[in-house]
Amino acid sequence: KQEVTQIPAALSVPEGENLVLNCSFTDSAIYNLQWFRQDPGKGLTSLLLIQSSQREQTSGRLNASLDKSSGRSTLYIAASQPGDSATYLCAVMSGAQKLVFGQGTRLTINP
Amino acid sequence: SAVISQKPSRDICQRGTSLTIQCQVDSQVTMMFWYRQQPGQSLTLIATANQGSEATYESGFVIDKFPISRPNLTFSTLTVSNMSPEDSSIYLCSVEFGSGSSEQYFGPGTRLTVT
Repeated sequence: KQEVTQIPAALSVPEGENLVLNCSFTDSAIYNLQWFRQDPGKGLTSLLLIQSSQREQTSGRLNASLDKSSGRSTLYIAASQPGDSATYLCAVMSGAQKLVFGQGTRLTINP
Repeated sequence: SAVISQKPSRDICQRGTSLTIQCQVDSQVTMMFWYRQQPGQSLTLIATANQGSEATYESGFVIDKFPISRPNLTFSTLTVSNMSPEDSSIYLCSVEFGSGSSEQYFGPGTRLTVT
């Protein structure tokens, strides 16, 4: 059974810092990995999708990497801003279009 | 991507009653899913809504409790039946376009409180 873990559970940093969020998964047989952002009481916004054959994806200040063999992904946020404050969720697709989610990292960027 | 809407956005219901949540997409999609997010928890897949046939439920979820309809390629409903306080959660629908990327897009969610 696929299990997804995100570390840390919460992170608070000053504005302008670069930061890394971590995601690990137990079964390396995945189709893809997706990073989402969730604002309090809201739905999910898709940030980046990495296919199993890819090593990384970039969108603006965000860069996600994937090391399938070791079961790890990182989300790098450059020059953080207060608007980046949210919960970041990592999810892997292991089969039959089923997404398995981590518990999320609650990120706070302090002005 | 697509515009995905859910109705209602939130509701407060009494135990023993049922609530039907609607998910509408502005374009045709191949796959639609329903997730539950209990307070302080991450998302758990309830079922895959199949167009024209019965939904496929995940372990721990049953049709009698969570009946699902999907009459066409842009619309689905999830009913939470005979509700109890433990059903208080955010319920989210997601869609996949079947373009080969398997990327899923989520609706804004329905926040349900059962008293």
